[in-house]
Amino acid sequence: ETGVTQSPTHLIKTRGQQVTLRCSSQSGHNTVSWYQQALGQGPQFIFQYYREEENGRGNFPPRFSGLQFPNYSSELNVNALELDDSALYLCASSSAGGGGETQYFGPGTRLLVL
Amino acid sequence: AQRVTQPEKLLSVFKGAPVELKCNYSYSGSPELFWYVQYSRQRLQLLLRHISRESIKGFTADLNKGETSFHLKKPFAQEEDSAMYYCALRNNAGNMLTFGGGTRLMVKP
Repeated sequence: ETGVTQSPTHLIKTRGQQVTLRCSSQSGHNTVSWYQQALGQGPQFIFQYYREEENGRGNFPPRFSGLQFPNYSSELNVNALELDDSALYLCASSSAGGGGETQYFGPGTRLLVL
Repeated sequence: AQRVTQPEKLLSVFKGAPVELKCNYSYSGSPELFWYVQYSRQRLQLLLRHISRESIKGFTADLNKGETSFHLKKPFAQEEDSAMYYCALRNNAGNMLTFGGGTRLMVKP
């Protein structure tokens, strides 16, 4: 069984640029959730994807967008980067969309916006 | 809106002492509560969930709806318990986890 993987591990961007982060879900999982974790804070829910559709969204602006592919991997895209977007971005996969199953987390992508 | 509060950023205890990590929540529906743990250089992982009513690594947590709390307890702390602990609440739709700010537990020898 393969766990959740994320790429890249680290990324440096400048303000105004765009970034794409990638997540491969755990084998057998069809749901991916994305979280932003600022330094010293708990993870904050961005959105969830289930069967290639957005299935819930937190309090993030539209410049945060996502995709889920037929193999259930997922991308998080952030446009017009701001300094406050600097954070650890976590993805988590589970086996049912909103079905209450346990979420398994990846190691995260650390994004620094200069 | 749902909210999770962990009032202590840092909790330091000696090995063998009892531990209680506090978690309070605010949610209008029927809550589902979790504790997640992150050991040094490891990813975030589930420790326990209230509906399972189980003890994991000696930790237990009881949901108190009257006090809207879900405190994590262990009678005798071990050095290997040192980690970041996050309390989380899942909404009734099951598609969103709300985390608290986390408590760093340090168990001294």
